[in-house]
Amino acid sequence: GIQVEQSPPDLILQEGANSTLRCNFSDSVNNLQWFHQNPWGQLINLFYIPSGTKQNGRLSATTVATERYSLLYISSSQTTDSGVYFCAVQRVGAGANNLFFGTGTRLTVIP
Amino acid sequence: NAGVTQTPKFQVLKTGQSMTLQCAQDMNHEYMSWYRQDPGMGLRLIHYSVGAGITDQGEVPNGYNVSRSTTEDFPLRLLSAAPSQTSVYFCASSRGGVASGANVLTFGAGSRLTVL
Repeated sequence: GIQVEQSPPDLILQEGANSTLRCNFSDSVNNLQWFHQNPWGQLINLFYIPSGTKQNGRLSATTVATERYSLLYISSSQTTDSGVYFCAVQRVGAGANNLFFGTGTRLTVIP
Repeated sequence: NAGVTQTPKFQVLKTGQSMTLQCAQDMNHEYMSWYRQDPGMGLRLIHYSVGAGITDQGEVPNGYNVSRSTTEDFPLRLLSAAPSQTSVYFCASSRGGVASGANVLTFGAGSRLTVL
């Protein structure tokens, strides 16, 4: 299957700081999504972004498909941003509907 | 709308017991799937379904069975539980299947299973 690597594995920020999370993948993809898992375990979709750039409030994401990476930017971080951020991808031409997840970046925002 | 509903939220089993994790969605989504989440390993796809009557295996299907008799429901069955199946299980659904490239997964709240 496709390899999905996320970095850094852990990140601690002071409230108000900015951060960049990275997702590298080993093959061409036609589907890439970012998720946030809050401290209570709920998984929420942040972006569907197989290519290009999107913004939603303090969060934005960019995927450079030709170079096989995606970035998630968090600006002016808040304590509610704490949790684990996952990148998930589907390889072009793969068996239908297999979405592969990275191992995540655990973000802790300190007040 | 309730979205994706999973039951139970917590379950403790003894080795060899059987049980069913329930998943229901009220969004008329064609695609449904089950993932397991283990520490340090992200989420791994167990089984998925692209519509009623159609199921297929994901990355880690061994020890699990599924069926899809209706659009709304996608139960996951453990026929003979093993300690290696201790995990958090998530059900997810999307409108038309991730293969179509434009379908965002909606997850349930998860079911924490412990097998002793």
